[in-house]
Amino acid sequence: QVQLQQWGAGLLKPSETLSLTCAVYGGSFSGYYWSWIRRPPGKGLEWIGEISHSGSTYYSPSLKSRVTISLDTSKNQFSLKLSSVTAADTAIYYCARYGGDYWGQGTLVTVSS
Amino acid sequence: QAVVTQEPSLTVSPGGSVTLTCGSSTGAVTSGHYPYWFRQKPGQAPRTLIYDTTNKHSWTPARFSGSLLGGKAALTLSGAQPEDEAEYYCLLFYSGARVFGGGTKLTVL
Repeated sequence: QVQLQQWGAGLLKPSETLSLTCAVYGGSFSGYYWSWIRRPPGKGLEWIGEISHSGSTYYSPSLKSRVTISLDTSKNQFSLKLSSVTAADTAIYYCARYGGDYWGQGTLVTVSS
Repeated sequence: QAVVTQEPSLTVSPGGSVTLTCGSSTGAVTSGHYPYWFRQKPGQAPRTLIYDTTNKHSWTPARFSGSLLGGKAALTLSGAQPEDEAEYYCLLFYSGARVFGGGTKLTVL
């Protein structure tokens, strides 16, 4: 059974870089896309981007200039970096292989001075 | 960036049927948008209900079905249960990027 476990800093100051990592247990990276999705308070889900098992990346146009998604196949992990954060980036962030209905537990990231 | 539209809220009676829709600002939604449907309840991670327009996961209740209807993606719930009260989101594919709809808050009342 595939399980995703994510972690990272939950409190950031404006202009800092958000960094989250997601570990995949019980499955392989091969053949799948690995995604990051967020939900700001009071708003709906937002697709941030995803990475293929071969390392090809796809990003939301609205976040593309600030987002980097990478993977470490040796550790079965993939990561999200979002630079120059503002209060608008405050959200619960999820890692997922949503095609298979596998989700991380979510990480609340708050941006506040 | 394309805008994906959903009904902000819908109400269905217990045992009743309802169809949620998912439209695109770029035109008709097709199978090439690979529509997904998700359900999210308060305090929980989303769950994937439907993928690639019509396909269900092993956990997806049989009362849910996905389709294309009138140029939109559609999620039909037949025989609503109280536990179906939740927010429902669609996700569409656009040349490498994906976009969520704004979500539909479904009330079972």
